[in-house]
Amino acid sequence: GAVVSQHPSWVICKSGTSVKIECRSLDFQATTMFWYRQFPKQSLMLMATSNEGSKATYEQGVEKDKFLINHASLTLSTLTVTSAHPEDSSFYICSARSYRQGVQPQHFGDGTRLSIL
Amino acid sequence: AQKVTQAQTEISVVEKEDVTLDCVYETRDTTYYLFWYKQPPSGELVFLIRRNSFDEQNEISGRYSWNFQKSTSSFNFTITASQVVDSAVYFCALSEFNAGNMLTFGGGTRLMVKP
Repeated sequence: GAVVSQHPSWVICKSGTSVKIECRSLDFQATTMFWYRQFPKQSLMLMATSNEGSKATYEQGVEKDKFLINHASLTLSTLTVTSAHPEDSSFYICSARSYRQGVQPQHFGDGTRLSIL
Repeated sequence: AQKVTQAQTEISVVEKEDVTLDCVYETRDTTYYLFWYKQPPSGELVFLIRRNSFDEQNEISGRYSWNFQKSTSSFNFTITASQVVDSAVYFCALSEFNAGNMLTFGGGTRLMVKP
């Protein structure tokens, strides 16, 4: 089945550091990738939708300059948390979908736990 | 606007009990898709089932079964003879065909199965 790889799985870094998270589709071309954020004991909240070759669409309340998303190829999207602060600590999870898959379920990565000290 | 409500935030059962997780959704679209995902403590999301709005047939997969009722906008999930390994957070999600298949998640239900 379709596999989505997310890296790293866990990051601990100092406040002010920028952190990059990668989301790769391993066996299909992901025309669309989604980035979610999940605080402890809460649900997944969509942050942004990225389509290959175009700018990401951010959900209301998500800072574009804070969370930089790049989807430069059909198999890779990256989320960069710039100048991270403790309040950015969260679980970030990506999902990917192929145009050919249509309404098939999105395939999720295993998530990245980000802890900012 | 689409919305998914999982009224049960936490459920605790003893192993071998049956348990039903409720999911109620709101949508104006006539074509939509409903999903259930399992999130174990390790964090990854495990896909369990997808249902489209035109298929109200209930489904059974081993100890899992799903009851989809459009009349009440509900898509409930039942685990029969629960096991400790079923302990996880379960999310119901909705995707509208006209919304680019964006997923909207419910708040999740934390299921704790005690031995």
